[in-house]
Amino acid sequence: EAAVTQSPRNKVAVTGGKVTLSCNQTNNHNNMYWYRQDTGHGLRLIHYSYGAGSTEKGDIPDGYKASRPSQENFSLILELATPSQTSVYFCASGTGNYAEQFFGPGTRLTVL
Amino acid sequence: GDSVTQTEGQVALSEEDFLTIHCNYSASGYPTLFWYVQYPGEGPQLLFRASRDKEKGSSRGFEATYDKGTTSFHLRKASVQESDSAVYYCALRSYGSSGNKLIFGIGTLLSVKP
Repeated sequence: EAAVTQSPRNKVAVTGGKVTLSCNQTNNHNNMYWYRQDTGHGLRLIHYSYGAGSTEKGDIPDGYKASRPSQENFSLILELATPSQTSVYFCASGTGNYAEQFFGPGTRLTVL
Repeated sequence: GDSVTQTEGQVALSEEDFLTIHCNYSASGYPTLFWYVQYPGEGPQLLFRASRDKEKGSSRGFEATYDKGTTSFHLRKASVQESDSAVYYCALRSYGSSGNKLIFGIGTLLSVKP
């Protein structure tokens, strides 16, 4: 019963297309996060949320939007995908008290 | 701003070797420090954390000691196993005007040969 799930797990998109990555958590955590993982850069924060209806910019938000329609769901949206957005994307949830975060299994996105 | 530096991008060892992965941080005060481990095909998971100077965190035979003087939190294990092959991330909890967040190092890929 994985607590943080992501869909799709793999995605191939075309340049200029719209991509939506979805994340669902059953931890009942207020905070949720989107990261991308690239060799030589580690994990970098794109957007995060403190609760339903809120989204905040992380360290590399350009080219990405986020949506938090409910406590459980947090989406990352690429309106106009570019090859530079080819990466592995991780969603995480956390309480914020100790900042420990619980990660999903990741989505591998390839933009051709 | 706050930052984490991991100097080893890759480490290759044989089983029963001693492991050290270096982590240094830059931040004011006493940030909480973390080690996360990521096994192939999975997301990162918390290995352990430490919040005070000289506090030792440990789990699964891995350990690290919070050293405020040298701003370090080096990961060590006395005898690695093939099953320890993974990516290891050092991270700190950053307190900023935009809220609390984790800042990760670049990660260290550990490969252990049987």
